[in-house]
Amino acid sequence: AQSVTQLDSHVSVSEGTPVLLRCNYSSSYSPSLFWYVQHPNKGLQLLLKYTSAATLVKGINGFEAEFKKSETSFHLTKPSAHMSDAAEYFCVVSGGYQKVTFGIGTKLQVIP
Amino acid sequence: DAGVIQSPRHEVTEMGQEVTLRCKPISGHDYLFWYRQTMMRGLELLIYFNNNVPIDDSGMPEDRFSAKMPNASFSTLKIQPSEPRDSAVYFCASSPVATSGGVYTQYFGPGTRLTVL
Repeated sequence: AQSVTQLDSHVSVSEGTPVLLRCNYSSSYSPSLFWYVQHPNKGLQLLLKYTSAATLVKGINGFEAEFKKSETSFHLTKPSAHMSDAAEYFCVVSGGYQKVTFGIGTKLQVIP
Repeated sequence: DAGVIQSPRHEVTEMGQEVTLRCKPISGHDYLFWYRQTMMRGLELLIYFNNNVPIDDSGMPEDRFSAKMPNASFSTLKIQPSEPRDSAVYFCASSPVATSGGVYTQYFGPGTRLTVL
């Protein structure tokens, strides 16, 4: 069994300040973990993925995430928010065999 | 690569009509997924295929929904008859065979926004 919990449904930050979107997971297997972003009326775009090669994963647009097995977390961060980062972000866990579970999503609002 | 292609992008139909959504996966990808996204339920996996064979259809809501993949480059999701509660955005995604480390990365199409009146 596997599950993913996005701890905040909405996050609001000011432009230029750091972003933290939190994600906790559970999985019976060694998980694969992903973050996707969805801009309004658009499809989902892959931001980054955890491949077990490195615990700190760098993605597109300045985002990164750190896999912490002891905390079963995979939080998404960015040092400085940009207006274009306003979107919905999904944390995804895959425990194997292509069975993926999506979090409920976190809507990021960036205030100018 | 053109990415995952879905058609139509928008569909408005009346209750009781048949609706067919189409998807062309990325060439060379062995897996194809259909998802539904609603405000109430978020993103739900409906069904997925491996090498054109349905593997898991446990997410298909009821018999009114059916999906086919006649070849590696085309899949359909059909709803017959459609109901207003089927209104949602339907996404298709495809994935290659796992890379090293067993990581499967899914690539999503732009979605089809379905409205059933």
